[in-house]
Amino acid sequence: NAGVTQTPKFRILKIGQSMTLQCTQDMNHNYMYWYRQDPGMGLKLIYYSVGAGITDKGEVPNGYNVSRSTTEDFPLRLELAAPSQTSVYFCASSPRGGALNTEAFFGQGTRLTVV
Amino acid sequence: DQQVKQNSPSLSVQEGRISILNCDYTNSMFDYFLWYKKYPAEGPTFLISISSIKDKNEDGRFTVFLNKSAKHLSLHIVPSQPGDSAVYFCAAKRRGGADGLTFGKGTHLIIQP
Repeated sequence: NAGVTQTPKFRILKIGQSMTLQCTQDMNHNYMYWYRQDPGMGLKLIYYSVGAGITDKGEVPNGYNVSRSTTEDFPLRLELAAPSQTSVYFCASSPRGGALNTEAFFGQGTRLTVV
Repeated sequence: DQQVKQNSPSLSVQEGRISILNCDYTNSMFDYFLWYKKYPAEGPTFLISISSIKDKNEDGRFTVFLNKSAKHLSLHIVPSQPGDSAVYFCAAKRRGGADGLTFGKGTHLIIQP
């Protein structure tokens, strides 16, 4: 039971570099999310997707891009990395959303440091 | 503007006693509330949830209480065990919203032997 898998687990980037955080889920969930967690803070929503081909901004989308070409994959792209993007990134998926309430399942996280 | 607030950054409880974690919210559009548990270097894992049409939900040692008029919920863990030591996040979902969960900052629960 893989669930939600994120790669890499750790990464150090230099200012101005770019990278893609990978997220894949094998539960056939329609809803997928990217959150970031800064030290001592709760998780904040970056982007979300309600199905393949559909993405939307969350609370803190600046500096990031996403795509959802398949149900399974939801990569997060950082262009021109900045120190403010140093954080732990969590991908999550959910079988339902909208009016139907259910919990989200999280990956193990990617710890990103921008220096 | 924090819509979900956990005002206690940490809580220390003796093993075997009751742990009570509190959460307040400000947005009246929230209609579904969840508690997640997180160990270091792991992702959050779902613990228990409650819909706004209920005031209590129980699952084994875990009970969540919801007071809608006070916009307050609490998580009770009885009895507390060493494996319960973790950070607990309160989260809320908007009615009809597809845009994920709004999280509190978390409470670090420490169970002392």
